[in-house]
Amino acid sequence: RKEVEQDPGPFNVPEGATVAFNCTYSNSASQSFFWYRQDCRKEPKLLMSVYSSGNEDGRFTAQLNRASQYISLLIRDSKLSDSATYLCACHGSSNTGKLIFGQGTTLQVKP
Amino acid sequence: DAGVTQSPTHLIKTRGQQVTLRCSPKSGHDTVSWYQQALGQGPQFIFQYYEEEERQRGNFPDRFSGHQFPNYSSELNVNALLLGDSALYLCASSLAGEVADTQYFGPGTRLTVL
Repeated sequence: RKEVEQDPGPFNVPEGATVAFNCTYSNSASQSFFWYRQDCRKEPKLLMSVYSSGNEDGRFTAQLNRASQYISLLIRDSKLSDSATYLCACHGSSNTGKLIFGQGTTLQVKP
Repeated sequence: DAGVTQSPTHLIKTRGQQVTLRCSPKSGHDTVSWYQQALGQGPQFIFQYYEEEERQRGNFPDRFSGHQFPNYSSELNVNALLLGDSALYLCASSLAGEVADTQYFGPGTRLTVL
């Protein structure tokens, strides 16, 4: 089993839709979690950090469910510019150093 | 406020050659991590440098080595290149002691091995 797993998609949604991605992790000792956005052939850019139960930033909401060992990312009112690959990542139990990434989930927002 | 910079942006090498990639961390950061990202995959951790020492290492062979300089910049060296080393190499910087070691990525070096 991979340490961090994501559904690669693609998720194809119309503009204005609400879309949610899940990411599961296997190390129950993981403390900190991140969502990164990656555009084609570019570097990952930090979207949100998730330390406790969740975090919200405008149209984006990240939630952490420790009991079921998953984090989610909810995007409301999708824009064409939201089309990208979304990577989730977590630290190991040390809370520093190595970030373990999922494969990424591809989102395509259509007009 | 300068972000993470990497050089070169692209590189083409042949099997068996050696390559050196460079990274300058974001202003104020002191820790550098290197990742390899193959097409369609998430980044894979190679190693992390702090205080000029390798602090943590991922599951990569000894052909991958690194260095951190007193100004916090870093190099990644790969010897005896294989076709499978073709990938995007990402450098990420962070500040030691910061909550959750949030890492910020540079634009990457795209390495092609022929």
